[in-house]
Amino acid sequence: EPEVTQTPSHQVTQMGQEVILRCVPISNHLYFYWYRQILGQKVEFLVSFYNNEISEKSEIFDDQFSVERPDGSNFTLKIRSTKLEDSAMYFCASSGLQGGPQHFGDGTRLSIL
Amino acid sequence: GQQLNQSPQSMFIQEGEDVSMNCTSSSIFNTWLWYKQDPGEGPVLLIALYKAGELTSNGRLTAQFGITRKDSFLNISASIPSDVGIYFCAGQELLTGGGNKLTFGTGTQLKVEL
Repeated sequence: EPEVTQTPSHQVTQMGQEVILRCVPISNHLYFYWYRQILGQKVEFLVSFYNNEISEKSEIFDDQFSVERPDGSNFTLKIRSTKLEDSAMYFCASSGLQGGPQHFGDGTRLSIL
Repeated sequence: GQQLNQSPQSMFIQEGEDVSMNCTSSSIFNTWLWYKQDPGEGPVLLIALYKAGELTSNGRLTAQFGITRKDSFLNISASIPSDVGIYFCAGQELLTGGGNKLTFGTGTQLKVEL
């Protein structure tokens, strides 16, 4: 069964450093998403991406965040200058249809020191 | 913002028992989904509900989309140890720019005693 894959599984970074989280969505999907889950809390929407543009972003997704689809298979989330409060699990998801269910990767655990 | 509250927050049941959990929202959603999350993994889709009043099954799981479109419940029959995990409901909104956005509930943690 096709799946969303994310790398790395765990990223440790010094505060103030840039970090790039990588995702390979399901191959025939057109809609891509990032979510965040702080330890012990619920999953929160960050951003949706379609047709090489952001279609919606949340308040969390400030100027320090950016997304890119650099080629036909990868989808990345960049945090330009990390803060301690960016420590969380980051999940990538994709869907094949506008209203289709989202399928999630296993996440990247980001730890900011 | 929109809030989805799940109850119970956690439950500890005996293997073989049936389980029921629900999710209520402060606003209407046109699609409801239920996901399960195991430790260290991403949410896995269990059931998607697209029509108010709809009752859908997936093996031992049954979910219903409330007719007010503000609630949903999930039942698990004859629980087994691998049912352990956190169950999240999610309301889906379509985005005018493309795709959709999920608002997740607060989660119900299920623990199964052998």
